Amino acid sequence: AQSVSQHNHHVILSEAASLELGCNYSYGGTVNLFWYVQYPGQHLQLLLKYFSGDPLVKGIKGFEAEFIKSKFSFNLRKPSVQWSDTAEYFCAVKITGAAGNKLTFGGGTRVLVKP
Amino acid sequence: NAGVTQTPKFQVLKTGQSMTLQCAQDMNHNSMYWYRQDPGMGLRLIYYSASEGTTDKGEVPNGYNVSRLNKREFSLRLESAAPSQTSVYFCASSARTVTNEKLFFGSGTQLSVL
Repeated sequence: AQSVSQHNHHVILSEAASLELGCNYSYGGTVNLFWYVQYPGQHLQLLLKYFSGDPLVKGIKGFEAEFIKSKFSFNLRKPSVQWSDTAEYFCAVKITGAAGNKLTFGGGTRVLVKP
Repeated sequence: NAGVTQTPKFQVLKTGQSMTLQCAQDMNHNSMYWYRQDPGMGLRLIYYSASEGTTDKGEVPNGYNVSRLNKREFSLRLESAAPSQTSVYFCASSARTVTNEKLFFGSGTQLSVL
C-alpha cells in the first residue's frame, strides 16, 4: 500500500522567511497529489493539487509545489510567509486508475510563523 | 494504537437505500469531522462535532445526518442515498477546534450509489 511521509512535524519561522515542506510518497505508478491546510479552528482547505502537465503547480495564497517524479516528491513552498500562514499542512496522494478514489494523507506539518 | 476507525471500507447502495457510516476514535478527542472527497474537488466538510453532544453543518450537509453518540463515536447517515453521494468519505478527529491541533484521519469509506 502507498504511504506518504512528511518529514517535518513542526516548523517555526519568522515572517518574510521562505518556507519549504517536504512530502514523499511510496508508489511507483501514476498519482494525483494534493496539499491541504488547516488554519486554527477551521476545517481542511485545499491549497493546490497536481493531476498532470506542468510539474510546478501554483495554489492559493502564494503557495506552490513541485512534483519531481524521480524523487517521488511533492514539496510545498512559499517564498515569503506571513503570520496568517500559521497552520497545519497535509500532503495527500491518490493513485490514479486504481479501484476507488481514496486519499492517503501524510502525518501533517505544523507551521508556526512568528510576527 | 487504533486511532480513527471507519467502517465499512467499501459499500454499494441502490438509490433510495439508507445506511450509516460508523467512525470511532480512541484518542479521547473532543472534535470529530466527516468529509467527502470527490475527484478534482478535494475534501469537503459535511458535518462536524466540536464536542460531545454538539453537531454543526459543514459545507455540504444536504442529504446527510450525523449523531455524536458519545465522545468516541460519530456516525454519518444517508437516509435515502442518491448517485450524487457516490464518494469517498473520511472521518477525522482532533483534540480541540480552537487551537492548532492535529487532525487524525480514518482510512476512508468508498461508497457507490447506483
